[in-house]
Amino acid sequence: DTGVSQDPRHKITKRGQNVTFRCDPISEHNRLYWYRQTLGQGPEFLTYFQNEAQLEKSRLLSDRFSAERPKGSFSTLEIQRTEQGDSAMYLCASSSPDSHNEQFFGPGTRLTVL
Amino acid sequence: ELKVEQNPLFLSMQEGKNYTIYCNYSTTSDRLYWYRQDPGKSLESLFVLLSNGAVKQEGRLMASLDTKARLSTLHITAAVHDLSATYFCAVDKLGGSNYKLTFGKGTLLTVNP
Repeated sequence: DTGVSQDPRHKITKRGQNVTFRCDPISEHNRLYWYRQTLGQGPEFLTYFQNEAQLEKSRLLSDRFSAERPKGSFSTLEIQRTEQGDSAMYLCASSSPDSHNEQFFGPGTRLTVL
Repeated sequence: ELKVEQNPLFLSMQEGKNYTIYCNYSTTSDRLYWYRQDPGKSLESLFVLLSNGAVKQEGRLMASLDTKARLSTLHITAAVHDLSATYFCAVDKLGGSNYKLTFGKGTLLTVNP
């Protein structure tokens, strides 16, 4: 396993369309995080899974956003009725209980909403 | 709410010079993380600092943590062009069931020949 992977790497969509991103964490990591990063800012926390349980959602995550991790392995992040303000880099990270919460990030999915 | 402040936000330095990036955070946390991000790329973990007085070094970078002052520093020694990148510090809040990281805004480092 070479690290966290994300798909797609880039997504261009029109306002109002739905999009879905996928994240595959490092295989032995049971913790999975989604962050959003806009230009010139640090990543902002969106949501966190421990195994298949979604334990916290940020206030940034409106009801248009939903995330799942059905079998405690890969995760998906769906954005419904996209808005231009959703344009950002969406980053996935994973960690293991033994790693002092050192989080390893994937390459990200860059979303552009036209 | 946990807040993390970095300074400077922009740093332009010459090769061979030394400089320090500062990271202050607002509430008690015993773990601090430094990441590097190259343009258009994801974040690479550099250091994990786990206790007061922790110091870690890798090549020309050295990070330290003072939990009493809620301050971490990233010191750059004899900078080289390859160190040009954005550097983020992040903290997590001990306790509870969420291990989310709160990041600073980042320091954009440019090392000039």
